[in-house]
Amino acid sequence: NAGVTQTPKFQVLKTGQSMTLQCAQDMNHNSMYWYRQDPGMGLRLIYYSASEGTTDKGEVPNGYNVSRLNKREFSLRLESAAPSQTSVYFCASTGRSFNSPLHFGNGTRLTVT
Amino acid sequence: KQEVTQIPAALSVPEGENLVLNCSFTDSAIYNLQWFRQDPGKGLTSLLLIQSSQREQTSGRLNASLDKSSGRSTLYIAASQPGDSATYLCAVRRGSYNTDKLIFGTGTRLQVFP
Repeated sequence: NAGVTQTPKFQVLKTGQSMTLQCAQDMNHNSMYWYRQDPGMGLRLIYYSASEGTTDKGEVPNGYNVSRLNKREFSLRLESAAPSQTSVYFCASTGRSFNSPLHFGNGTRLTVT
Repeated sequence: KQEVTQIPAALSVPEGENLVLNCSFTDSAIYNLQWFRQDPGKGLTSLLLIQSSQREQTSGRLNASLDKSSGRSTLYIAASQPGDSATYLCAVRRGSYNTDKLIFGTGTRLQVFP
C-alpha cells in the first residue's frame, strides 16, 4: 500500500529559483493538505484542498501556490524560493469524514541558499 | 485562538516502564483529537483519534484519553519498548467544516533505552 507519496525527498535551491513539490495518494481521499514543519514551531498548514477542483489558503500561504490536478494529486509550487522557505514539507490526506485519521507522506526536505 | 501544548518536550525512560504523555489545549470546543507518531526523517503516522463525544481510545499498548472540560488529553504507553522511541504529537480539530484545520502541538520526543 503506497498511501501518500511525495517527490522529491530532498531538494536544494538557490534564492529566486522555482520548483514544484509533487504529492499523490491512492486511498481515494477527498481532502489533501500541505504542511511545513519547522523546529520549535510545529506543523503549520500552507494550503488545503477539500475536494477536486477546490483549494484554500491555510495559515502560511504567502510565497506558495497549489494545484489540485485530480483527485489523486496535489502539488505545491514555490515560484521564487527564499531562505525562509527552508523547511520540511509534508503532504497529507483524509477521507470524507473529518473523524477519519490524517495520512502523511514522508516529506520533502528543502534547503534554500 | 486555539493553542496546543505538549509537556515535557523530551522524555527518556528505561525499557518496561509505563508512561504518560500530556497534551493540553486552550479551547474546549473541539471536534476531535488525534495522536501521531513521527520517526526521524519520516512523516507522521496516526495512532489514535478520539471524537469529542468519546472519553478514550485504545490500540494495543496505547490508550488515549480525552477530558474536554479541562482541555487535556493523555497518551498512555504500557510496557514501553525501544521501538517506541519517536516524537509523539497531538492535534485538535475545531469543527467539521472544510475550513476547520488541525492545530498541532510541538511534540514530546521519547527515548526508551534498553
